[in-house]
Amino acid sequence: EVQLLESGGGLGQPGGSLRLSCAASGFTFSTYAMSWVRQAPGKGLEWVSAITTSGHTTYYADSVKGRFTISRDNSNNTLFLQMNSLSAEDTAVYYCAKVRRSGELLGFDSWGQGTLVTVPP
Amino acid sequence: SYELTQPPSVSVSPGQTARITCSGDGLTKQYAFWYQQQPGQAPVLLIYKDNERLSGIPERFSGSSSGTTVTLTISGVQAEDEADYYCQSADSSGTFWVFGGGTKLTVL
Repeated sequence: EVQLLESGGGLGQPGGSLRLSCAASGFTFSTYAMSWVRQAPGKGLEWVSAITTSGHTTYYADSVKGRFTISRDNSNNTLFLQMNSLSAEDTAVYYCAKVRRSGELLGFDSWGQGTLVTVPP
Repeated sequence: SYELTQPPSVSVSPGQTARITCSGDGLTKQYAFWYQQQPGQAPVLLIYKDNERLSGIPERFSGSSSGTTVTLTISGVQAEDEADYYCQSADSSGTFWVFGGGTKLTVL
C-alpha cells in the first residue's frame, strides 16, 4: 500500500523558513516523479512544485519560484520542500503527491494527509 | 500565467447527470485529469488522460474532451458524490502545471 506522510508544518514567521518532508513507502520511490500541492483555507488546489525521478529537473509555480526548493533523497525515500521568505500568502495545507505512472509528470494517484503551514500577517 | 476555468458550482438531483466543464487553451495539446475532494480529505484521482477511469472508480464517472474544453460527467448522481471537483493540466509547453478553480457539486 502506498503511503505518503508529510511532516514539518507549523507556525512560520514572515520572512522565515520551514522545511517540509514527505516520507514515502509502498512503492519504488526512485522511479516516480513527485509534486507538492497546497490548499489555502477554504480555497482550491494550487500546484507548487514538481521533481523528476533523479531530482535533476525541477519545476515551480510562479508564486513560489525563487523562494521554495524541491528536492528528494531516493536512498531514504523522502521528498522535501524548503520554503524561504515565507509570507501570509503561503498559509495552506501542503500535500505531497505521487504521479500515477512512472515516466509521467501529471496525474497524482496518491496523496499524503497534508501538513498545515501557518504564516501570520 | 496559464489558467483552467471551471464553473464554481453545479447542482443536480439524485439520479440525474452532472456535467462539469474545464476550459483552457492548452487542453488541445495537454491531457486533463480530474480529482474529487471530500471535505477535510485529500483529493482522489478519478480520470486521467482526458477519459481514462482510474481502477476502482465507479463507472458513473467519465471524462471527455473537445477542443479547448474537457468535461467530467457523473451519470446517475448519488448523494455521496457531493464534493469539490478539480481539473488539472499543463500549459502547452508541459512545464507549468495548474488546477482549475474547482467546482462544488451539490446533490439536491
